[in-house]
Amino acid sequence: DAGITQSPRHKVTETGTPVTLRCHQTENHRYMYWYRQDPGHGLRLIHYSYGVKDTDKGEVSDGYSVSRSKTEDFLLTLESATSSQTSVYFCAISESSSPLHFGNGTRLTVT
Amino acid sequence: EDQVTQSPEALRLQEGESSSLNCSYTVSGLRGLFWYRQDPGKGPEFLFTLYSAGEEKEKERLKATLTKKESFLHITAPKPEDSATYLCAVRASGGYQKVTFGIGTKLQVIP
Repeated sequence: DAGITQSPRHKVTETGTPVTLRCHQTENHRYMYWYRQDPGHGLRLIHYSYGVKDTDKGEVSDGYSVSRSKTEDFLLTLESATSSQTSVYFCAISESSSPLHFGNGTRLTVT
Repeated sequence: EDQVTQSPEALRLQEGESSSLNCSYTVSGLRGLFWYRQDPGKGPEFLFTLYSAGEEKEKERLKATLTKKESFLHITAPKPEDSATYLCAVRASGGYQKVTFGIGTKLQVIP
Protein backbone atom coordinates (compact mmCIF):
# COMPACT_ATOMS: atom_id res chain seq x y z
CA ASP A 1 0.00 0.00 0.00
CA ALA A 2 3.03 2.28 -0.39
CA GLY A 3 2.77 3.40 3.23
CA ILE A 4 -0.62 5.12 2.93
CA THR A 5 -3.24 4.85 5.65
CA GLN A 6 -6.74 6.21 5.29
CA SER A 7 -9.11 6.66 8.21
CA PRO A 8 -11.81 5.86 8.85
CA ARG A 9 -12.30 2.97 6.41
CA HIS A 10 -16.07 3.24 6.64
CA LYS A 11 -18.33 6.02 7.79
CA VAL A 12 -22.07 6.64 7.82
CA THR A 13 -23.19 10.18 8.48
CA GLU A 14 -26.31 12.29 8.16
CA THR A 15 -26.99 15.03 5.66
CA GLY A 16 -25.76 18.38 6.87
CA THR A 17 -23.09 17.10 9.25
CA PRO A 18 -19.38 17.88 8.82
CA VAL A 19 -17.06 15.00 7.99
CA THR A 20 -13.27 14.82 7.92
CA LEU A 21 -11.32 12.04 6.24
CA ARG A 22 -7.66 11.55 6.97
CA CYS A 23 -4.78 10.36 4.84
CA HIS A 24 -1.40 9.59 6.39
CA GLN A 25 1.72 8.65 4.42
CA THR A 26 5.09 7.38 5.55
CA GLU A 27 6.84 7.82 2.16
CA ASN A 28 7.65 11.52 2.47
CA HIS A 29 6.19 12.14 -1.00
CA ARG A 30 5.60 15.73 -2.02
CA TYR A 31 2.27 15.31 -3.82
CA MET A 32 -0.92 14.09 -2.18
CA TYR A 33 -4.33 13.74 -3.81
CA TRP A 34 -7.93 13.07 -2.93
CA TYR A 35 -10.08 11.23 -5.45
CA ARG A 36 -13.62 9.93 -5.39
CA GLN A 37 -14.72 6.82 -7.23
CA ASP A 38 -18.30 6.33 -8.35
CA PRO A 39 -19.86 3.76 -10.68
CA GLY A 40 -19.78 4.97 -14.27
CA HIS A 41 -17.37 7.82 -13.51
CA GLY A 42 -14.06 6.30 -12.61
CA LEU A 43 -11.68 8.16 -10.36
CA ARG A 44 -12.14 11.93 -10.25
CA LEU A 45 -9.75 14.39 -8.62
CA ILE A 46 -11.19 16.47 -5.78
CA HIS A 47 -8.16 18.36 -4.46
CA TYR A 48 -4.45 17.90 -4.43
CA SER A 49 -1.44 19.22 -2.53
CA TYR A 50 2.05 19.95 -3.82
CA GLY A 51 3.56 20.74 -0.45
CA VAL A 52 2.80 21.72 3.12
CA LYS A 53 0.02 24.33 3.05
CA ASP A 54 0.04 24.27 -0.77
CA THR A 55 -3.21 22.93 -2.17
CA ASP A 56 -5.35 23.38 -5.25
CA LYS A 57 -8.69 22.31 -6.67
CA GLY A 58 -9.39 19.35 -8.90
CA GLU A 59 -12.31 18.76 -11.23
CA VAL A 60 -14.96 18.02 -8.56
CA SER A 61 -13.98 20.29 -5.66
CA ASP A 62 -17.34 21.92 -4.86
CA GLY A 63 -18.43 21.08 -1.30
CA TYR A 64 -14.96 19.92 -0.24
CA SER A 65 -12.00 21.56 1.45
CA VAL A 66 -8.55 20.23 2.30
CA SER A 67 -5.66 21.00 4.59
CA ARG A 68 -2.06 19.88 4.78
CA SER A 69 -0.18 21.11 7.84
CA LYS A 70 2.45 18.35 7.76
CA THR A 71 4.09 16.49 4.89
CA GLU A 72 2.58 13.21 6.02
CA ASP A 73 -1.04 14.23 6.57
CA PHE A 74 -3.70 15.39 4.12
CA LEU A 75 -7.23 16.00 5.38
CA LEU A 76 -10.41 16.13 3.32
CA THR A 77 -13.39 17.91 4.88
CA LEU A 78 -17.00 17.90 3.81
CA GLU A 79 -18.33 20.98 5.55
CA SER A 80 -21.99 19.92 5.25
CA ALA A 81 -22.37 16.44 3.81
CA THR A 82 -24.94 15.79 1.09
CA SER A 83 -26.24 12.53 -0.34
CA SER A 84 -24.39 13.25 -3.60
CA GLN A 85 -21.15 12.92 -1.64
CA THR A 86 -21.83 9.27 -0.89
CA SER A 87 -18.84 7.64 -2.53
CA VAL A 88 -15.57 5.84 -2.02
CA TYR A 89 -12.74 8.27 -1.36
CA PHE A 90 -9.15 7.45 -2.19
CA CYS A 91 -5.99 9.19 -1.15
CA ALA A 92 -2.95 8.95 -3.42
CA ILE A 93 0.65 10.09 -3.26
CA SER A 94 3.39 10.66 -5.81
CA GLU A 95 6.76 12.23 -6.33
CA SER A 96 6.73 14.63 -9.29
CA SER A 97 6.35 12.55 -12.44
CA SER A 98 6.15 9.17 -10.71
CA PRO A 99 2.95 7.09 -10.80
CA LEU A 100 0.28 7.68 -8.18
CA HIS A 101 0.08 5.16 -5.34
CA PHE A 102 -3.22 4.74 -3.59
CA GLY A 103 -4.53 3.95 -0.15
CA ASN A 104 -7.34 1.45 0.37
CA GLY A 105 -10.09 4.02 0.51
CA THR A 106 -12.85 5.29 2.79
CA ARG A 107 -16.41 4.29 2.03
CA LEU A 108 -18.65 7.20 3.00
CA THR A 109 -22.42 6.95 3.13
CA VAL A 110 -24.49 10.10 3.66
CA THR A 111 -28.08 9.34 4.70
CA GLU B 1 -10.14 18.04 -22.49
CA ASP B 2 -8.20 14.85 -21.77
CA GLN B 3 -10.18 11.65 -22.22
CA VAL B 4 -9.61 7.97 -21.52
CA THR B 5 -11.95 5.28 -22.84
CA GLN B 6 -11.56 1.65 -21.88
CA SER B 7 -13.10 -1.34 -23.60
CA PRO B 8 -14.70 -3.67 -23.04
CA GLU B 9 -16.42 -2.66 -19.80
CA ALA B 10 -16.45 -6.29 -18.70
CA LEU B 11 -14.71 -9.40 -19.94
CA ARG B 12 -15.21 -13.00 -18.96
CA LEU B 13 -12.48 -15.48 -19.87
CA GLN B 14 -11.88 -19.14 -19.31
CA GLU B 15 -8.66 -19.93 -17.49
CA GLY B 16 -5.88 -20.05 -20.08
CA GLU B 17 -7.82 -18.04 -22.68
CA SER B 18 -5.62 -15.09 -23.68
CA SER B 19 -7.12 -11.69 -24.53
CA SER B 20 -6.46 -7.95 -24.61
CA LEU B 21 -7.94 -4.90 -22.91
CA ASN B 22 -8.02 -1.60 -24.75
CA CYS B 23 -7.39 1.94 -23.55
CA SER B 24 -7.96 4.75 -26.06
CA TYR B 25 -6.87 8.22 -25.06
CA THR B 26 -6.76 11.84 -26.14
CA VAL B 27 -4.43 14.04 -24.15
CA SER B 28 -2.65 17.34 -24.52
CA GLY B 29 0.94 16.19 -24.37
CA LEU B 30 1.31 12.69 -22.94
CA ARG B 31 3.56 12.53 -19.89
CA GLY B 32 2.85 8.91 -19.08
CA LEU B 33 0.19 6.23 -19.45
CA PHE B 34 -0.47 4.09 -16.39
CA TRP B 35 -2.11 0.73 -15.86
CA TYR B 36 -3.54 -0.24 -12.48
CA ARG B 37 -5.22 -3.30 -11.06
CA GLN B 38 -8.04 -2.83 -8.54
CA ASP B 39 -9.48 -5.60 -6.38
CA PRO B 40 -12.86 -5.18 -4.65
CA GLY B 41 -12.62 -3.05 -1.53
CA LYS B 42 -9.04 -2.04 -2.27
CA GLY B 43 -7.28 0.92 -3.83
CA PRO B 44 -5.77 0.73 -7.31
CA GLU B 45 -2.44 -1.07 -7.43
CA PHE B 46 0.14 0.27 -9.86
CA LEU B 47 1.24 -2.09 -12.65
CA PHE B 48 3.02 -0.22 -15.47
CA THR B 49 4.02 3.16 -16.83
CA LEU B 50 4.48 3.72 -20.56
CA TYR B 51 5.88 6.95 -21.95
CA SER B 52 6.24 6.71 -25.71
CA ALA B 53 4.75 4.91 -28.69
CA GLY B 54 6.32 1.51 -29.25
CA GLU B 55 7.16 1.00 -25.62
CA GLU B 56 6.27 -2.32 -23.97
CA LYS B 57 6.34 -3.51 -20.35
CA GLU B 58 5.80 -7.02 -18.99
CA LYS B 59 4.99 -8.50 -15.63
CA GLU B 60 4.16 -12.18 -15.28
CA ARG B 61 1.14 -12.84 -17.53
CA LEU B 62 0.59 -9.15 -18.32
CA LYS B 63 2.09 -7.12 -21.12
CA ALA B 64 1.30 -3.47 -21.79
CA THR B 65 1.90 -1.77 -25.14
CA LEU B 66 1.49 1.82 -26.31
CA THR B 67 0.71 3.55 -29.60
CA LYS B 68 0.04 7.23 -30.23
CA LYS B 69 -3.68 6.81 -29.60
CA GLU B 70 -4.17 3.70 -27.51
CA SER B 71 -2.68 1.18 -25.15
CA PHE B 72 -3.33 -2.51 -24.81
CA LEU B 73 -3.03 -4.74 -21.79
CA HIS B 74 -2.46 -8.26 -23.06
CA ILE B 75 -3.23 -11.09 -20.67
CA THR B 76 -1.61 -14.41 -21.59
CA ALA B 77 -3.03 -17.65 -20.21
CA PRO B 78 -4.91 -15.91 -17.39
CA LYS B 79 -5.59 -17.52 -14.04
CA PRO B 80 -8.54 -16.92 -11.70
CA GLU B 81 -6.32 -14.74 -9.52
CA ASP B 82 -6.04 -12.29 -12.41
CA SER B 83 -9.70 -11.43 -11.90
CA ALA B 84 -9.91 -7.72 -11.04
CA THR B 85 -10.79 -4.36 -12.54
CA TYR B 86 -8.00 -2.92 -14.67
CA LEU B 87 -7.73 0.86 -14.87
CA CYS B 88 -5.92 2.98 -17.41
CA ALA B 89 -4.85 6.56 -16.74
CA VAL B 90 -2.93 9.27 -18.58
CA ARG B 91 -0.89 12.15 -17.28
CA ALA B 92 -0.96 15.30 -19.39
CA SER B 93 1.49 18.12 -19.70
CA GLY B 94 0.75 21.16 -17.56
CA GLY B 95 1.12 19.65 -14.14
CA TYR B 96 1.84 16.39 -12.35
CA GLN B 97 -1.67 16.45 -10.93
CA LYS B 98 -3.28 16.20 -14.37
CA VAL B 99 -4.00 12.47 -14.32
CA THR B 100 -7.22 11.31 -16.01
CA PHE B 101 -8.60 7.84 -15.36
CA GLY B 102 -10.76 5.56 -17.44
CA ILE B 103 -13.73 3.74 -15.93
CA GLY B 104 -11.96 0.40 -16.13
CA THR B 105 -12.44 -3.11 -17.48
CA LYS B 106 -13.78 -5.70 -15.08
CA LEU B 107 -12.08 -9.01 -15.83
CA GLN B 108 -13.39 -12.32 -14.59
CA VAL B 109 -11.35 -15.47 -15.19
CA ILE B 110 -13.29 -18.68 -14.73
CA PRO B 111 -11.53 -21.90 -13.67
